Amino acid sequence: GQQVMQIPQYQHVQEGEDFTTYCNSSTTLSNIQWYKQRPGGHPVFLIQLVKSGEVKKQKRLTFQFGEAKKNSSLHITATQTTDVGTYFCARTALIFGKGTTLSVSS
Amino acid sequence: SQTIHQWPATLVQPVGSPLSLECTVEGTSNPNLYWYRQAAGRGLQLLFYSVGIGQISSEVPQNLSASRPQDRQFILSSKKLLLSDSGFYLCAWTPGLATGELFFGEGSRLTVL
Repeated sequence: GQQVMQIPQYQHVQEGEDFTTYCNSSTTLSNIQWYKQRPGGHPVFLIQLVKSGEVKKQKRLTFQFGEAKKNSSLHITATQTTDVGTYFCARTALIFGKGTTLSVSS
Repeated sequence: SQTIHQWPATLVQPVGSPLSLECTVEGTSNPNLYWYRQAAGRGLQLLFYSVGIGQISSEVPQNLSASRPQDRQFILSSKKLLLSDSGFYLCAWTPGLATGELFFGEGSRLTVL
């Protein structure tokens, strides 16, 4: 239905490696939001994508929205230990992906 | 500026006891309010949302209930807790139901023994 699927569920990287999480939907998304939740903390909004093919950058984070508006990705370049946490995509406040938990070893 | 407060932050309750978690939002009017639950290492499960005073929509049938007695107050309750109710409960608000950034409270960690 309207669920969004996130992969991978877990990812472990060495500090300095890149990381990507993917969010997929079987139906067209009007927009997609990304949140980050640090261990023990609450989710914090990162960005919202609205336009087909949109690409937005926040320092080492790159967010993409697919041309068909059915998928999105979050890419982190040269991970740091501060990137540790769970990254969620959400199509609305009502529908969240299950998240990708990133761990980083130094 | 808008702020959201949620309490208590942590609680340990015996099975069968009641529960009341409270959430208030300041600095905005007519917010859309949400309660989520997050089991350990799991995603966010939407429990209830509200678009106005006394208006509650339930997403998951269970022994929990929600109420909105005032515009900026959202309460999550249970008459008798189950072990499976343990988890991290998050309150959040948005200016619009299906759009806009979600602002989360700090969360309430519930352990049912």
